[in-house]
Amino acid sequence: GEDVEQSLFLSVREGDSSVINCTYTDSSSTYLYWYKQEPGAGLQLLTYIFSNMDMKQDQRLTVLLNKKDKHLSLRIADTQTGDSAIYFCAESGRRGKLQFGAGTQVVVTP
Amino acid sequence: GAVVSQHPSRVICKSGTSVKIECRSLDFQATTMFWYRQFPKQSLMLMATSNEGSKATYEQGVEKDKFLINHASLTLSTLTVTSAHPEDSSFYICSASILTLDTSTDTQYFGPGTRLTVL
Repeated sequence: GEDVEQSLFLSVREGDSSVINCTYTDSSSTYLYWYKQEPGAGLQLLTYIFSNMDMKQDQRLTVLLNKKDKHLSLRIADTQTGDSAIYFCAESGRRGKLQFGAGTQVVVTP
Repeated sequence: GAVVSQHPSRVICKSGTSVKIECRSLDFQATTMFWYRQFPKQSLMLMATSNEGSKATYEQGVEKDKFLINHASLTLSTLTVTSAHPEDSSFYICSASILTLDTSTDTQYFGPGTRLTVL
């Protein structure tokens, strides 16, 4: 079946780079997304990547996609305290539905 | 652009009452709206997919008579939790999708969520 998996927790020092990993199973996914959720809030779309790309950079964010291994990662450069949140990866499935991972809680320490 | 609002942000109600949650796309007309439920420290669970002027499509295991969805216009969808019970307490999030020109696919933008507590 379709499944998206993420590590549940990441602790990183302020100023360091964060790397959040995600694996998925649906090879027919056309787009893969990263969303950010702060406490008590909805999801904010951070970035997305088309499945025929292997990298996308957007300011401090770099998305890497290994389609062969069905592995997606999000790198946040110069991580700040405001980056502390839960990060969800998601793949676009059939009929426009999104399949979400369980979310990775990122904690940024001074 | 692509802002989605939800109202109310937080609601507390007594068991047996019904609660309506509104989801609006503020600066665009949404192709489709989605309703999700999120339990503490868990991912989002899709409840239903809604298109303007047609009946919502519910995911397996979601009671359509319990969770009534009305999609009155291209910018407004409502979720009514009927005869709410404590087990319906949760964080409800809607999203609205719009065709993104540079991807030629629909991208979902999420509302801020509604915290429902049923006493």
